[in-house]
Amino acid sequence: DTAVSQTPKYLVTQMGNDKSIKCEQNLGHDTMYWYKQDSKKFLKIMFSYNNKELIINETVPNRFSPKSPDKAHLNLHINSLELGDSAVYFCASSRGQVDEQYFGPGTRLTVT
Amino acid sequence: AQSVTQLGSHVSVSEGALVLLRCNYSSSVPPYLFWYVQYPNQGLQLLLKYTTGATLVKGINGFEAEFKKSETSFHLTKPSAHMSDAAEYFCAVSEGNTPLVFGKGTRLSVIA
Repeated sequence: DTAVSQTPKYLVTQMGNDKSIKCEQNLGHDTMYWYKQDSKKFLKIMFSYNNKELIINETVPNRFSPKSPDKAHLNLHINSLELGDSAVYFCASSRGQVDEQYFGPGTRLTVT
Repeated sequence: AQSVTQLGSHVSVSEGALVLLRCNYSSSVPPYLFWYVQYPNQGLQLLLKYTTGATLVKGINGFEAEFKKSETSFHLTKPSAHMSDAAEYFCAVSEGNTPLVFGKGTRLSVIA
């Protein structure tokens, strides 16, 4: 069974569109994250949720909106996509903030 | 705020040779330190972590790292490189109730 899964794996879309990426974890973890990895492999946290509550919201355009319907899911919705949004987005989860994070396989977003 | 510097964006070693990937951190409190590995087109996977206690930490796949407070370092080593070790390696630091901050990554190439 996949511990942290993301859909879709690849997403190609045009500028101005709205898209969502879904994430689910079956590890029973309380904390979930969204990261963005750019073309140079630099990894930066975007959001963190603990028990469905937003606890970290880094400097991210408000076009990005996370939603956690329950503890096992953390989805990422992006409005008005821009070229600069092209990246690989990773979901991750952990028991707590200092515990090992388990990463999903990533979603490669390409905005044309 | 904590930060991580990984020296060398690309390291190349021969199969069977020692692997040494360097990581220096900055933290205002005792840090939590992690090494993650990312294989091509995959998410990150924890290699090892240091929280408290023994400063020499052993991880998966024969890797280990030593926490040296006086040098603010957490270098990753493996006595003998295998072809399967070729990947991107990330050092990360947390100050406890703060998000993980990742280094920029070091790409390890293993030459037959």
